[in-house]
Amino acid sequence: ELKVEQNPLFLSMQEGKNYTIYCNYSTTSDRLYWYRQDPGKSLESLFVLLSNGAVKQEGRLMASLDTKARLSTLHITAAVHDLSATYFCAAPSGSRLTFGEGTQLTVNP
Amino acid sequence: ETGVTQSPTHLIKTRGQQVTLRCSSQSGHNTVSWYQQALGQGPQFIFQYYREEENGRGNFPPRFSGLQFPNYSSELNVNALELDDSALYLCASSLLPDTTQYFGPGTRLTVL
Repeated sequence: ELKVEQNPLFLSMQEGKNYTIYCNYSTTSDRLYWYRQDPGKSLESLFVLLSNGAVKQEGRLMASLDTKARLSTLHITAAVHDLSATYFCAAPSGSRLTFGEGTQLTVNP
Repeated sequence: ETGVTQSPTHLIKTRGQQVTLRCSSQSGHNTVSWYQQALGQGPQFIFQYYREEENGRGNFPPRFSGLQFPNYSSELNVNALELDDSALYLCASSLLPDTTQYFGPGTRLTVL
């Protein structure tokens, strides 16, 4: 059974700082997804990483995938308050997505 | 906005009742997946429908059932509601079963 683990689960950071969220998954997967969820809202698709070594960037967020290490990272550069949200990674197994527990990010002024 | 819609937005039921949740997929998408998200947790896969057939099911009991219609909209039915069924129910549509899933706004179900 595929398991997905994220760390940290809670992250409080100051504006302007950099940080990385890690996502490990237990079985082989050729893709990895990152989603954002604001409180009480649904999931917003951020990135889909389709191959080993894939790197994608959007604004202050950059995601990468290492399929050999079964590891994906979400790097936050010069954080701003608007990035405060819960971030989920998810790996596919057949028809289903298996999600991590989420990383609750709070960016403080 | 993903183009995926769900109804109702909120619902309150009592234990033992039955509930039907609805989802309209994004135009051109023939695959719908349903997830349950308990407070403070990641979404859990319930099942997926592809071209009106069930195409995978998670670890949920048979009282969770679904349907997909010819226009690819979908329903999630839950019988004999339990307190632990209180959660946000998310529907996601995708072009194919293994492509990016786009989530609707969710239905918040409270079971008293």
